[in-house]
Amino acid sequence: EVQVLESGGGLVQPGGSLRLSCTVSGVTFSDYAMSWVRQAPGKGLEWVSGISGSGKDTFDADSVKGRFTVSRDNSKNTLYLQMSSLRAEDTAVYYCAKLTAAIIFITPLDSWGQGTLVTVSS
Amino acid sequence: IVLTQSPGTLSLSPGERATVSCRASPVICPTCFAWYQQRPGQAPRLLIYDTSARATGIPDRFSGSGSGRDFTLTISRLEPEDFAVYYCQQYGTSPITFGQGTRLETK
Repeated sequence: EVQVLESGGGLVQPGGSLRLSCTVSGVTFSDYAMSWVRQAPGKGLEWVSGISGSGKDTFDADSVKGRFTVSRDNSKNTLYLQMSSLRAEDTAVYYCAKLTAAIIFITPLDSWGQGTLVTVSS
Repeated sequence: IVLTQSPGTLSLSPGERATVSCRASPVICPTCFAWYQQRPGQAPRLLIYDTSARATGIPDRFSGSGSGRDFTLTISRLEPEDFAVYYCQQYGTSPITFGQGTRLETK
């Protein structure tokens, strides 16, 4: 059974930085692309970033481009999201999700973690 | 790619049929559409992928269809646990996008 577990959320001041982590078990991690998806309080889902299984290819939403960096360590079965220059509008639950193949697109998100809350406030 | 879901809220009773629509503009990958269910306080769950394929463990009362720009999620007979929020998603190109969600509530 696939298990996805996020960590690293918390309260951060505007302009600050935070790194989220996501550990995946039950599968060969490097066989699958991964994505981060966020959900602001009471709002819908917004895709944030994606990374291929090898880690060579990454894509980001325009709203976070230049501020957030997605990466992975396949030896540790762990996905990361380095967030900097945080804004109030980045406040959200951040979900880590596994795709069904090693490429970022043309595959859905089939396993999700429970999410970690990031609050940007002074 | 902008995904427009309708209706925003759907009020039905257990046993009834639910239909949620999603219109895409433009369409890059005609089969790269999925539907997710999100219950309160829970993470989204994949229901349907590749427009009409059911994900593992999803009951057969859930079905997906679509062609061109229009995609549909149908729940044939609503069970109490089906009252939740539903999102469509396209995953054919960057950025991956979601519809705004449809809340299915008990009438």
